[in-house]
Amino acid sequence: DIQMTQSPSSLSASVGDRVTITCRASQSIRNYLNWYQQNPGKAPKLLINAASSLQSGVPSRFSGSGSGTDFTLTISSLQPEDFVTYYCQQSYSNPYTFGQGTKLEI
Amino acid sequence: EVQLLESGGALVQPGGSLRLSCAASGFSFSSHAMNWVRQAPGKGLEWVSMIIGNGGNTYYTDSVKGRFTISRDNSKNTLYLQMNSLRAEDTAVYYCAKDLLSSNSGYNYWGQGTLVTVSS
Repeated sequence: DIQMTQSPSSLSASVGDRVTITCRASQSIRNYLNWYQQNPGKAPKLLINAASSLQSGVPSRFSGSGSGTDFTLTISSLQPEDFVTYYCQQSYSNPYTFGQGTKLEI
Repeated sequence: EVQLLESGGALVQPGGSLRLSCAASGFSFSSHAMNWVRQAPGKGLEWVSMIIGNGGNTYYTDSVKGRFTISRDNSKNTLYLQMNSLRAEDTAVYYCAKDLLSSNSGYNYWGQGTLVTVSS
């Protein structure tokens, strides 16, 4: 199975900050990497698929990059609604594992 | 408008069975792989199972193999998860999720989730 390791697990930041979350796969997953945002008590929301493809309606302050084993999610200027939890997921091979999550805190 | 509506979650004793359903609308159901993803209380997301559009191939995480069965009825636009031999560690909110493309592309729509509690 492919293991997905996210870092950090939690991150303290302020409104307006630029932050980067890292996701590392235990083997190459090419660009089969997705990023989700989850508000407490709600279903996850797909932000980015295929490592860097921003989904419709997602603000342009979110961006993704990487290929192979190392990936990043960057939020260029944090807004109050961004202080929630983020997950990466590989969709390269079954089982389609998620990272453990990164909680953004003010 | 795409909608996914799960049902069937309940309190069940260890060793018991439950069937979850996910009613889909607003898209070509048979053209997309569908997934079940769960989240234990206070924990992260765990992918559980996937079924491709025509139902011909299914996939499971190791911890549910032999106990859970994913299926779909494309004539009813409905996804199912039959869960047998339930364990305490299966306690979670179960989400159904639609693949963005045919498969392996991320999940762009999710249901609201249904809670399964396994406890005596």
